[in-house]
Amino acid sequence: DAGITQSPRHKVTETGTPVTLRCHQTENHRYMYWYRQDPGHGLRLIHYSYGVKDTDKGEVSDGYSVSRSKTEDFLLTLESATSSQTSVYFCAISENSGRRSYNEQFFGPGTRLTVL
Amino acid sequence: QKEVEQNSGPLSVPEGAIASLNCTYSDRGSQSFFWYRQYSGKSPELIMFIYSNGDKEDGRFTAQLNKASQYVSLLIRDSQPSDSATYLCAVKRTGSARQLTFGSGTQLTVLP
Repeated sequence: DAGITQSPRHKVTETGTPVTLRCHQTENHRYMYWYRQDPGHGLRLIHYSYGVKDTDKGEVSDGYSVSRSKTEDFLLTLESATSSQTSVYFCAISENSGRRSYNEQFFGPGTRLTVL
Repeated sequence: QKEVEQNSGPLSVPEGAIASLNCTYSDRGSQSFFWYRQYSGKSPELIMFIYSNGDKEDGRFTAQLNKASQYVSLLIRDSQPSDSATYLCAVKRTGSARQLTFGSGTQLTVLP
């Protein structure tokens, strides 16, 4: 989706190093989400944000932190990467502009992270 | 029991046939239901959503929702090889504050 970008798109890192993934949106959506996708597990929510500086944990938040200092940017940080965090990470956005929303979420292109 | 369950497949149908994808969910109070299509190596793409019992049609796609039986299905009419992808079912559960719970997906192959 042209309105959502993720960087980097691919990253290889070593165990124990910090890693930050960035999600950038130009849609002015209020909600932003970080998911990981692994074979057999589908998409699992890591953290989400409902506004600038407002974040909350998802079902697999251990080992991850997030920050949102601007509406358009949502950062995911792995403080000390482990091999179990090798995955594909997707950012998603959801609109809440005062009109009725059914929580449709739209996804970015993804980041493939490999932790050696 | 998983909160959202889908048959992993693979499901194969011949070109031109109707593909039927099913999803069951455990939370009876779930409110909105979504179908995403994901091509290999790509991100999920929203196809359609449904929130009322019954059928909702959009082109070749029909979503069907039965809240009493707690299942939602996606029918793809006149299937094309380009429909070959993994289809993800997602559910907004009660009190989940704009979070979606995803199934593991069903892999569909449309054979020419």
